[in-house]
This record gives sequence, structure tokens and C-alpha cells, in this order.
Amino acid sequence: AQSVSQHNHHVILSEAASLELGCNYSYGGTVNLFWYVQYPGQHLQLLLKYFSGDPLVKGIKGFEAEFIKSKFSFNLRKPSVQWSDTAEYFCAVLGAGSYQLTFGKGTKLSVIP
Amino acid sequence: NAGVTQTPKFRVLKTGQSMTLLCAQDMNHEYMYWYRQDPGMGLRLIHYSVGEGTTAKGEVPDGYNVSRLKKQNFLLGLESAAPSQTSVYFCASSYGTDSSYNEQFFGPGTRLTVL
Repeated sequence: AQSVSQHNHHVILSEAASLELGCNYSYGGTVNLFWYVQYPGQHLQLLLKYFSGDPLVKGIKGFEAEFIKSKFSFNLRKPSVQWSDTAEYFCAVLGAGSYQLTFGKGTKLSVIP
Repeated sequence: NAGVTQTPKFRVLKTGQSMTLLCAQDMNHEYMYWYRQDPGMGLRLIHYSVGEGTTAKGEVPDGYNVSRLKKQNFLLGLESAAPSQTSVYFCASSYGTDSSYNEQFFGPGTRLTVL
């Protein structure tokens, strides 16, 4: 069975600080990895996705994530956060060829102006 | 394109009442999913469908039933609501399982409270 672990429950940063959210997964085969964002009161939106090739994936709004296969990790980064990045961030794993997406428990990010 | 839509947006039920949540997508996606989101738990898969007329159980199926009579619609039913089913319910859809196009698109959610 696949699982996802997000290490930080709540992260508080000041504007312009750098962000890194940890994500580790457990799965025995080829994976597709996702980061979704949920702004307050809204639905989940896809930030970025890794399925093959370059392990450094660039997404929307200046976010990027690095897939490190040896560490089973897919950490999300942004060099300089803005107040508008305040949201909850979910890492998810999908076994290649599967359709059962498994989510981590989420990390709430609060950015202080 | 409306994407994935859900009705209703909010609902309050009494224990034992029944209701149906409707999900519709206009992207011609083959796969549809129902999740529940609870604080500190992330999203958990309730049921899913891999095509019209098919349904399957996910991680937390107990107390729910689903139907997919039309490709664009996926209904989630609660036959006898319980307070433990108080949650935010999200519907999602995806085109297929190939890595090139397997991302799931989510609806706006239904906030359900069971008293």
C-alpha cells in the first residue's frame, strides 16, 4: 500500500522568506507525484506534477519540487513567499498506471505580511 | 468549461436522514472519485469509478453508496447519516491512468454537517 508523509503540520513564514515543505512517500514501484494547493475556502488546485524525466519540476506561481528517488522524497520549494501563498499544501502519490491517489495530511502555510 | 461542479455546496442533516450529493464534469473524463476531507487527515478516497456503469470502493467506503449512470455524473449517497460523516466532500475526475494525463481535477466541495 502506498502512503505519504508530510512532516510539517503548520509553517509560519514572513513574506520574502524561502519555503521548503517536506514530503516522503512509500511505494514499491514507479510513481507519479503531485503537489496540490487549497486556498482558504476553495477547492484543490494542481501546483505541479512529476511523472518522468527531469527530477526538478517547475509549477505555477513560482513553485518547484525535486524528486529524489533514493530518499523517496518530493519536497516543495519557493524562493520567496508572498502573503497570497497562505494556503494548505498537499503532497500526493499515484502508482504508475493506477488511479488511486493517496494524499498526505497536508501542511498549512501562513505567510505574515 | 465549468470543470467539476458539485451540488449542494452546504447541507445540514439530522442523524438518520438520507441525501445524495451530485458531481458533474464536462471534460469527458473517464474516471471520477469521491473524497472526504477532515481536519488533520488530508483527503481520503470513499469510492471511485473507472467508467460509466462502474463503481469501486476506496479507503473509507462504509456508510456511502455511489452510482455512475452517465459518464459525466457521479452521485454519492448517504442512506442513514451519522455525525461521523460530518465532513467536506470533494469530487474529482481524471482523463485516464497514463502518466501524461492522470492528474485529478477537483470540484469546489460540499460541506456536510450531521447533527
